[in-house]
Amino acid sequence: EVQLVESGGGLVQPGGSVRLSCAASGFTSSSYWMYWVRQSPGKGLVWVSRIKNDGSSITYADSMKGRFTISRDNAKNTAYLQMNSLRAEDTAVYYCAGGRYSSRVDYWGQGTLVTVSS
Amino acid sequence: QSALTQPASVSGSPGQSITISCTGTSSDVGGYNYVSWHQQHPGKAPKCMIYDVSNRPSGVSDRFSGSKSGNTASLTISGLQAEDEADYYCSSFTPSSTLVFGGGTKLTVL
Repeated sequence: EVQLVESGGGLVQPGGSVRLSCAASGFTSSSYWMYWVRQSPGKGLVWVSRIKNDGSSITYADSMKGRFTISRDNAKNTAYLQMNSLRAEDTAVYYCAGGRYSSRVDYWGQGTLVTVSS
Repeated sequence: QSALTQPASVSGSPGQSITISCTGTSSDVGGYNYVSWHQQHPGKAPKCMIYDVSNRPSGVSDRFSGSKSGNTASLTISGLQAEDEADYYCSSFTPSSTLVFGGGTKLTVL
């Protein structure tokens, strides 16, 4: 069974940092692009970042550039999202996702909620 | 990259067919055959229902079908069932090698 399990979310103060993790199982995640997609409360899905299977290509949404860093450890079947200088508008459920090709998402995780508030 | 345009809501009765549209530009929807549709039930993770415009992942009912004409993609659900009630999001590949999502459409089964 394919599983993507996110962790690391919680309450963070404005200006703070958090690192999200995404553990993959049930498929060869080392052959997949990994993505982060977020959903603010009551809103739609917004693409955040992606990383190629071997880590050689990384892309960010313009609004996240310079603050967010995506990475992966294929030996641990895990992807990460380091988020710095967090703002209230970064409050969202962050979903980890995987795609066999860079053009699509095939699998989704259950999401982890990040709340940025004082 | 602006979000793709979807109707906020659609509705239909059990057994009927409905279609959800997803309008982009010649740079995204119109430029690639890389449109996907994702279903999201309240409080749940999204699930891919259609990829590459019209392909269904294994296990997805053939009541779900996708198509594209120009800059607009469409998701059709035939034989509506109560369990189809959910939010639906389209997505498209973009020239900057990112993905852009639609604003989402709430499907209500009457």
